[in-house]
Amino acid sequence: DGGITQSPKYLFRKEGQNVTLSCEQNLNHDAMYWYRQDPGQGLRLIYYSQIVNDFQKGDIAEGYSVSREKKESFPLTVTSAQKNPTAFYLCASSRAQGPTYEQYFGPGTRLTVT
Amino acid sequence: AQTVTQSQPEMSVQEAETVTLSCTYDTSESDYYLFWYKQPPSRQMILVIRQEAYKQQNATENRFSVNFQKAAKSFSLKISDSQLGDAAMYFCAYRSWTSGTYKYIFGTGTRLKVLA
Repeated sequence: DGGITQSPKYLFRKEGQNVTLSCEQNLNHDAMYWYRQDPGQGLRLIYYSQIVNDFQKGDIAEGYSVSREKKESFPLTVTSAQKNPTAFYLCASSRAQGPTYEQYFGPGTRLTVT
Repeated sequence: AQTVTQSQPEMSVQEAETVTLSCTYDTSESDYYLFWYKQPPSRQMILVIRQEAYKQQNATENRFSVNFQKAAKSFSLKISDSQLGDAAMYFCAYRSWTSGTYKYIFGTGTRLKVLA
């Protein structure tokens, strides 16, 4: 079955450590996205990528970094510069061109930094 | 810039009754897409329904339908015959064409409670 996987589901880190969240898709989608979800704030865009080896900052990119070396993979690194990293992180993908085409989402990763 | 507003943080509905969730958006584009997503307690985002702006006919998916008012920039979701499994967060989303790429803008969500 096609879909998006994110691992792990729960992640715990000490303050000051970088941590990488995994996102893999087998939907053959060109576009991939990372969102952060906090209570009462909906989904906020961190980074997005339309093609391999290219990505753009979203609305809250500070303290985060990404790479897109393969079409299927779009890992997100939460760096120690992110002031409030504890949140629920969602990865999504979609076709990059054409009509309609909603986003498909992974199950999310809950990151807790103490 | 486009914005999406969901003015109802929380709604309640009796099982088997009908409920309408509101969504308004702001845009200068003439052609765009709108979506409603459901996020149950598992937190998996699930597409409920989509609407293409150039289509005047309101989209329908089983018990879910929308009231799309393009001039008013309104996109409400109606859930008929509500079921306990409908309890979830519901997000309205707009697909924007910005700087040669598609971006999706989400509202802050409406928490729907279904009462037995």
